Amino acid sequence: QVKLVQSGDEVKRPGASVRVSCQASGYTFNNFGITWVRQAPGQGLQWMGWINTQNGDKNSAQILRDRGTMTIDTSTSTVYLELGNLRSDDTAVYFCARCSSTSCYLNSFDRWGQGTRVTVAS
Amino acid sequence: SYVLTQPPSVSVAPGQTATITCGGHNIGTNIVHWYQQKPGQAPVLVIYHDTDRPSGIPERFSGANSGNTATLTISGVGVADEADYYCQVWDTSIESWGVFGGGTQLIVL
Repeated sequence: QVKLVQSGDEVKRPGASVRVSCQASGYTFNNFGITWVRQAPGQGLQWMGWINTQNGDKNSAQILRDRGTMTIDTSTSTVYLELGNLRSDDTAVYFCARCSSTSCYLNSFDRWGQGTRVTVAS
Repeated sequence: SYVLTQPPSVSVAPGQTATITCGGHNIGTNIVHWYQQKPGQAPVLVIYHDTDRPSGIPERFSGANSGNTATLTISGVGVADEADYYCQVWDTSIESWGVFGGGTQLIVL
């Protein structure tokens, strides 16, 4: 069955970087894009960006354009989210999700990872 | 950037129909997706492309989209439907970013 398994929870100091992984299984990896969404404690969902797993094309919200990136390792069907210069307001649960097509644009997020809690505190 | 407006909460008695709105400028010209999120869990897609239901989602869930409002309707509401619901679109401006509404908590009285 389709599964997205994310890496474990992280605690980071302000100014540090974090890398979250999302390993896909149960489907043809290159046929579906991957998107990242985060959720601060008690808050709503915030879209961060998406990556085309076939050709590596990306579109990112300003936060990733300023401080982060998404990368792919096709050999392990894994997508990575890296966010740098962490601040306390980056404390959130970070979700990866599969898009319903190779391109995420206009499409839905039909399967989700379990979430990775990132805590930024001194 | 494009803004989606949802009511913070909607309350409904068991067995009744819940209607959750998602307002946005000319949202009827956009494609709307809806997600259900229960506490401590990842979101689940319940409606895509305005009106379509993924496999495994009950027929009690339906969607509509016209003018400046998209709507998620849940008929025969039960306790299991208590959750937060989020609408989502893609901003069709030059940035093409994903956008979520603020979420609506469905309370079953």
